[in-house]
Amino acid sequence: AQSVTQLGSHVSVSEGALVLLRCNYSSSVPPYLFWYVQYPNQGLQLLLKYTSAATLVKGINGFEAEFKKSETSFHLTKPSAHMSDAAEYFCAVSVSGYNKLIFGAGTRLAVHP
Amino acid sequence: DGGITQSPKYLFRKEGQNVTLSCEQNLNHDAMYWYRQDPGQGLRLIYYSQIVNDFQKGDIAEGYSVSREKKESFPLTVTSAQKNPTAFYLCASSIGEHRGGNNEQFFGPGTRLTVL
Repeated sequence: AQSVTQLGSHVSVSEGALVLLRCNYSSSVPPYLFWYVQYPNQGLQLLLKYTSAATLVKGINGFEAEFKKSETSFHLTKPSAHMSDAAEYFCAVSVSGYNKLIFGAGTRLAVHP
Repeated sequence: DGGITQSPKYLFRKEGQNVTLSCEQNLNHDAMYWYRQDPGQGLRLIYYSQIVNDFQKGDIAEGYSVSREKKESFPLTVTSAQKNPTAFYLCASSIGEHRGGNNEQFFGPGTRLTVL
């Protein structure tokens, strides 16, 4: 069965600092992996996705994530945080034939001046 | 503009009443989903539908019902049997794997339901 673990329910960084949000997955077959962002009282927006092409995936708003099979990880990074990055971030996993996404519990990112 | 719409954005209900949340998509997606989100928790799947006239229970289907009579529409009814219905409800859609999709889901803006 697939599962997703996001380490750290809350992460706080200074504006301009590196953002690192951690995601580990469990899957017995090659997965599809996704990062979504949610701003308050809104739906989820796709940041980026891994679908078995390049292991380093670039997304919107300067975010990127690297698929590391040996570590079963798909951590989200951004070199320099902006105040507008403050939101909740969800990692999700799916596999072919499953027809569903499994979401992590989410990480709330705070950015302070 | 293609996308997913949910209405209303805010909904208030008295205890014991059924209420229906609307979800419409014009993306020509086959699959649609309903999630519930509570403060500090992730998304929990209520129901999903891979094709018209067919749907499956998710992880927390008790107290909810759905229908899928049209490809574009997937309304969710919160019944009086749902013991704690106050939450943020999100609808999503995806292409469907049989059409080459990878389960990437597109989300609506959500409906916040409050039971008074």
